[in-house]
Amino acid sequence: GENVEQHPSTLSVQEGDSAVIKCTYSDSASNYFPWYKQELGKRPQLIIDIRSNVGEKKDQRIAVTLNKTAKHFSLHITETQPEDSAVYFCAASSASGGSYIPTFGRGTSLIVHP
Amino acid sequence: EAGVTQSPTHLIKTRGQQATLRCSPISGHTSVYWYQQALGLGLQFLLWYDEGEERNRGNFPPRFSGRQFPNYSSELNVNALELEDSALYLCASSGGNKVHEQFFGPGTRLTVL
Repeated sequence: GENVEQHPSTLSVQEGDSAVIKCTYSDSASNYFPWYKQELGKRPQLIIDIRSNVGEKKDQRIAVTLNKTAKHFSLHITETQPEDSAVYFCAASSASGGSYIPTFGRGTSLIVHP
Repeated sequence: EAGVTQSPTHLIKTRGQQATLRCSPISGHTSVYWYQQALGLGLQFLLWYDEGEERNRGNFPPRFSGRQFPNYSSELNVNALELEDSALYLCASSGGNKVHEQFFGPGTRLTVL
């Protein structure tokens, strides 16, 4: 089955700095890569996703890059703000029986210091 | 549009007891997924239900089971509770023309004493 490794487990940055979270996956059949943000005590929410036919996707201050050959993908957050502080999860999945069941990384706790 | 709801918010049980957790998906979604989120372990996939049938299950023992009702709501049952079952249990739903996107509920915090 799929295995997703996520690094770092904790990331501490100053407000305004950039933050990068990296993930690797093992199953070359994976073709959908969502990223979720989970604030303390709240539910995970999808913030951005990318499909395997795309190398990069941006949405305002966040971007995701995908390298299919190397089987790794990254989340980039620019101009970080205190409200970006949360746990971020990457995931990899492929269509199986009509649905996508993601395998999640263990999460990165991002702390943005004002 | 109402989001995914779960009940109860918190549940405290003792070892050996049974726990029942409930989930209502977003209206129009037919798929319900259950995840266990234990501290430091990310989200571990438990079960997937679609159109009333169990479609897939993760690497968990048979004492984790569930069902999906005709209105697409779902129930997760955990029998013979063990201390290590203490975790946040998250339900997610998907459906419509975005089957790949999962929407999560707020979770049920299960504590086993």
